[in-house]
Amino acid sequence: GIQVEQSPPDLILQEGANSTLRCNFSDSVNNLQWFHQNPWGQLINLFYIPSGTKQNGRLSATTVATERYSLLYISSSQTTDSGVYFCAVSGRGSTLGRLYFGRGTQLTVWP
Amino acid sequence: GAVVSQHPSRVICKSGTSVKIECRSLDFQATTMFWYRQFPKQSLMLMATSNEGSKATYEQGVEKDKFLINHASLTLSTLTVTSAHPEDSSFYICSAPGQGGVGNSPLHFGNGTRLTVT
Repeated sequence: GIQVEQSPPDLILQEGANSTLRCNFSDSVNNLQWFHQNPWGQLINLFYIPSGTKQNGRLSATTVATERYSLLYISSSQTTDSGVYFCAVSGRGSTLGRLYFGRGTQLTVWP
Repeated sequence: GAVVSQHPSRVICKSGTSVKIECRSLDFQATTMFWYRQFPKQSLMLMATSNEGSKATYEQGVEKDKFLINHASLTLSTLTVTSAHPEDSSFYICSAPGQGGVGNSPLHFGNGTRLTVT
């Protein structure tokens, strides 16, 4: 399957700070999603973004498919943003539809 | 609201017993669903692809006789962990593509099932 690398693995911020999370992938993708996993394990779908740029409130994401990376921006971070952020991708062909996850970025926001 | 419903959310069972986990797509049909497994502080690992009306496709290293998948209808897939052992304790999550189908829509995830085998 496709290899997905996320950086940084851990990020500690003061409330109000901005941050950028990165996702690199090893092959052409048909789908790319960003998730936030809360302490109860629930996966919150943040963005469905195989290419282009999207914004939702304080969050935005950009995927540059030709260069095989995606960025997740969090502005004015809040303590409720804490948790693990996952990038997941699916390729084309025989793996179409199967999402492969990166190892995640553990974000901790302090008040 | 939730588009994928997973049940139960938590189960504790004794070693040697079997556990069934249900995954339902709400308000849409899903001919394909996916099952994932997550160990503490690790990422989600794809276990298998559940196909309505045909056999599931398992990822390399996943025992198909251990993890039985049945996709009996267009809205329901089940994962049965057979003869569970403590090492099977994990967080199991199912997912289904949206109404656009595989490859044309995002995957929606259930809330997961936390399995503890004693």
